[in-house]
Amino acid sequence: GENVEQHPSTLSVQEGDSAVIKCTYSDSASNYFPWYKQELGKRPQLIIDIRSNVGEKKDQRIAVTLNKTAKHFSLHITETQPEDSAVYFCAACRISGGYNKLIFGAGTRLAVHP
Amino acid sequence: DSGVTQTPKHLITATGQRVTLRCSPRSGDLSVYWYQQSLDQGLQFLIQYYNGEERAKGNILERFSAQQFPDLHSELNLSSLELGDSALYFCASSLGQGATGELFFGEGSRLTVL
Repeated sequence: GENVEQHPSTLSVQEGDSAVIKCTYSDSASNYFPWYKQELGKRPQLIIDIRSNVGEKKDQRIAVTLNKTAKHFSLHITETQPEDSAVYFCAACRISGGYNKLIFGAGTRLAVHP
Repeated sequence: DSGVTQTPKHLITATGQRVTLRCSPRSGDLSVYWYQQSLDQGLQFLIQYYNGEERAKGNILERFSAQQFPDLHSELNLSSLELGDSALYFCASSLGQGATGELFFGEGSRLTVL
């Protein structure tokens, strides 16, 4: 079955440093890779996503890279700020018609210290 | 506000009981997903419905069942509850066919089984 592994499970950085979270997926048919951020007590929200026909995507301080051959993708946050502290989930999905089964990684708890 | 409505927000019940969680998707979204998030755990995919039909199943227990009604709202039924069923249950919706794949999460229903 589909599986997404995410590392590390916890990450602690100083404000201004970069943070990198890595994920691998098992289903080679996956073609959509979103990242969700969940603040304490809140719902998960999409922060960035990438499709399989793209190798990298950036949005201000956030970037995601995808290596389809190796079946892994990463989230990069630069110039981290305390408000970046949250749990980050990667996910992989094979979009096919009305079938969007999104499988999440176990999550990374990021703590940004002032 | 994601546009996805979940009720109830909190529910406390006893072992052996049965509860129903309700979800109203965003206007226009055809897919509904249910996820279980236990304390400090990831998002475990339970089941997906698309336009009234079951489309994908995850690690959903036999004691759990769900359905999506003609008006597209969905209900998750949990029966013979056990202590380990205590968790935050998220509903999410997406447009489904032809969509980017982004899931919009509700605020969750927190179930406590005593």
